[in-house]
Amino acid sequence: AQSVTQLDSQVPVFEEAPVELRCNYSSSVSVYLFWYVQYPNQGLQLLLKYLSGSTLVKGINGFEAEFNKSQTSFHLRKPSVHISDTAEYFCAVSERGGADGLTFGKGTHLIIQP
Amino acid sequence: GAGVSQSPSNKVTEKGKDVELRCDPISGHTALYWYRQSLGQGLEFLIYFQGNSAPDKSGLPSDRFSAERTGGSVSTLTIQRTQQEDSAVYLCASSRDYNQPQHFGDGTRLSIL
Repeated sequence: AQSVTQLDSQVPVFEEAPVELRCNYSSSVSVYLFWYVQYPNQGLQLLLKYLSGSTLVKGINGFEAEFNKSQTSFHLRKPSVHISDTAEYFCAVSERGGADGLTFGKGTHLIIQP
Repeated sequence: GAGVSQSPSNKVTEKGKDVELRCDPISGHTALYWYRQSLGQGLEFLIYFQGNSAPDKSGLPSDRFSAERTGGSVSTLTIQRTQQEDSAVYLCASSRDYNQPQHFGDGTRLSIL
């Protein structure tokens, strides 16, 4: 079984400042890693994914994340945030070769202040 | 549209009634997933279909919950004798195959009075 920890339930950031949302995972097997964003009253939208290859992955809306196997982390970063980035962000893992659904973290609410 | 479609978007019902939630996946996606999102529990995986088969139903919260998928397409999640703790947003997702990125619908917000 795997688990995901998002240490920060809420992150306030000023507009145009950089941001990092932290994600750590635990698993006894190799995993795939994902970040999803959820805007109010909407479903989840895939921001980016790590399946294999380069550990630095780039996603939509200027976000990127780096897979660090030794630290079992997959932190999400953006160099300059915009008001429209205000949303809930979820880190998720799935087991490679497994047929179960995603295991999600509790989410981080990113609050962009003008 | 080309995305995952869920209906109804909102459902309010009385405790003890049965409810049926529907999910139309993206055309051609063989894998379909149901999740529940609630304030207390966060996002929980409920069940996964590959084609019309659900290999593991252990994620369903109780025997009042059941799900089926027909024709490798539409899926329904049924909750019998609803309880107040069933109140949540039920999300459906689909993917080209298992272990591929999942695409989510906007969910059904279920409120049990």
